[in-house]
Amino acid sequence: EDQVTQSPEALRLQEGESSSLNCSYTVSGLRGLFWYRQDPGKGPEFLFTLYSAGEEKEKERLKATLTKKESFLHITAPKPEDSATYLCAVHGGGGADGLTFGKGTHLIIQP
Amino acid sequence: EAEVAQSPRYKITEKSQAVAFWCDPISGHATLYWYRQILGQGPELLVQFQDESVVDDSQLPKDRFSAERLKGVDSTLKIQPAELGDSAMYLCASSSTGGVVYEQYFGPGTRLTVT
Repeated sequence: EDQVTQSPEALRLQEGESSSLNCSYTVSGLRGLFWYRQDPGKGPEFLFTLYSAGEEKEKERLKATLTKKESFLHITAPKPEDSATYLCAVHGGGGADGLTFGKGTHLIIQP
Repeated sequence: EAEVAQSPRYKITEKSQAVAFWCDPISGHATLYWYRQILGQGPELLVQFQDESVVDDSQLPKDRFSAERLKGVDSTLKIQPAELGDSAMYLCASSSTGGVVYEQYFGPGTRLTVT
């Protein structure tokens, strides 16, 4: 059974204070690891897909990296508008395509 | 920019009543998913459609939940009868099929409250 564990559960940073969110996963045959951003009361917004260890992707102040056991979402010089819950999900090697999500990291950026 | 549409956005119902949610995926997306998200948790897959066929409904409580996608485009998820534990956000997502692109794009969700 695919499993995803995210840490920390919550993180409070000052504006401009860089940090990283962790996503540890157990999956039989990783086909893809996904990062989503979710604002309160809204659906998840797609950020990145990573397919193989060593891969990195960037978007504005966010950079996602992938190893064989975990992924990191690095946030550089965050702004208050980066406040949201960040969800990590894996697409395993089973026949269906449903994603297995972690519980998310609730990020608050204080001005 | 193309988006997944869902309605209603909010639904309040009494337990034992029937409730239905509607989803219209991004145009051209053959794969459609329904997820349930309990507050403070990540989404959990309920059912996956490929065109009009069910690919995976192993986590769908079939005694009370049903889903259909009759023409392979929009979809309806029904709960009958609703129970207090069904209170959650119901999310619809869609993805294109083929190649290595598996990104799932989510709609705004339907927040269900069962009283």
